[in-house]
Amino acid sequence: EDKVVQSPLSLVVHEGDTVTLNCSYEVTNFRSLLWYKQEKKAPTFLFMLTSSGIEKKSGRLSSILDKKELFSILNITATQTGDSAVYLCALNYGGSQGNLIFGKGTKLSVKP
Amino acid sequence: NAGVTQTPKFQVLKTGQSMTLQCAQDMNHNSMYWYRQDPGMGLRLIYYSASEGTTDKGEVPNGYNVSRLNKREFSLRLESAAPSQTSVYFCASRSTGATDTQYFGPGTRLTVL
Repeated sequence: EDKVVQSPLSLVVHEGDTVTLNCSYEVTNFRSLLWYKQEKKAPTFLFMLTSSGIEKKSGRLSSILDKKELFSILNITATQTGDSAVYLCALNYGGSQGNLIFGKGTKLSVKP
Repeated sequence: NAGVTQTPKFQVLKTGQSMTLQCAQDMNHNSMYWYRQDPGMGLRLIYYSASEGTTDKGEVPNGYNVSRLNKREFSLRLESAAPSQTSVYFCASRSTGATDTQYFGPGTRLTVL
């Protein structure tokens, strides 16, 4: 059974739209939740969330963690074609080893 | 500063052949990881190394071996490749500074016929 579930699995929007990507999880004892963006190659780091209710923001992207309801969301406002990618959510659960459990990702396609 | 590098970028093997995927990082990180990524399956941990000289199994270690050659290099070996090992392989290293996160290499696309 998947410990990290992302929804939707894929999403098609038009430039300028705002999107919300979801990540729900079952693990309650973890160090942090991470968001990555994966275009054609390696995942690149976006955010690390450790505390509930504190929004992290970078330009048009923002993310928040709800430890009570066991989920996180990634918001992208005023989407651009360059935002087209797979967005991955991961839990850092492995104590000192820092092991990550990944969700399957959300594939976002932004049409011009 | 190259970050995490991997070689080769692409490889085609026949069933039963062996090969080693190479990974190196220049960020002085202690921990390194090997993942595979398959369609619809997300990233799954194969092996990791918390420090030079130590390695441990991850979620899907069968059919693989690893070597942590030194602090910089962490290699993944397929002794007898199988079609089920067709995948994209990513190496990562972990930063434990202000942000505890993993940085990924560009990946190796492996096809086993």
